[in-house]
Amino acid sequence: QKEVEQNSGPLSVPEGAIASLNCTYSDRGSQSFFWYRQYSGKSPELIMFIYSNGDKEDGRFTAQLNKASQYVSLLIRDSQPSDSATYLCAVSLPFQGAQKLVFGQGTRLTINP
Amino acid sequence: DGGITQSPKYLFRKEGQNVTLSCEQNLNHDAMYWYRQDPGQGLRLIYYSQIVNDFQKGDIAEGYSVSREKKESFPLTVTSAQKNPTAFYLCASQSGEGFQVGFGQGTRLTVV
Repeated sequence: QKEVEQNSGPLSVPEGAIASLNCTYSDRGSQSFFWYRQYSGKSPELIMFIYSNGDKEDGRFTAQLNKASQYVSLLIRDSQPSDSATYLCAVSLPFQGAQKLVFGQGTRLTINP
Repeated sequence: DGGITQSPKYLFRKEGQNVTLSCEQNLNHDAMYWYRQDPGQGLRLIYYSQIVNDFQKGDIAEGYSVSREKKESFPLTVTSAQKNPTAFYLCASQSGEGFQVGFGQGTRLTVV
């Protein structure tokens, strides 16, 4: 089982709708959870992070964390064509006395005008 | 402006050559990381450093080497022992508070 799993997509959503991106992780020791947006040919950009169970909202973005189910999601409201990108879920794991970020393979999202 | 600078943006390597990718940060961050990304895949950790003069292997360190002589700099050398080096290489740093990691703009390495 992969440490972090995402549906690779592509996920296609009409403009103005809600895009829902999902991620599961295998290690219950994970404490921090991140969503990165990556445009084609560019480096990832951090858009949301969440540490506690529940929802965290920032503008059009909402991150949801359920540690019991080992599930983290990202909702994008009022989707815009500029939201079209690959979204990477990342989870922090204990590693050699420190922490490392483990990434899922990413979900490619396309917003259709 | 504060940030992480990687150079070069594009790099071409001949078979059997060693090449070094530069990563500099002026954010005063302690921890720095190197990741590799292959097409359609997530990022995989190559090496990381929590402090000057100390670094640790990540999940795919074979064929790579690093140094951390200064807090600001964490260069990555791709050696001839790395049999499949063509990939997008990303350098990252993390502040001491929390675990938010930011990335440089990346170096795309191609073997010719």
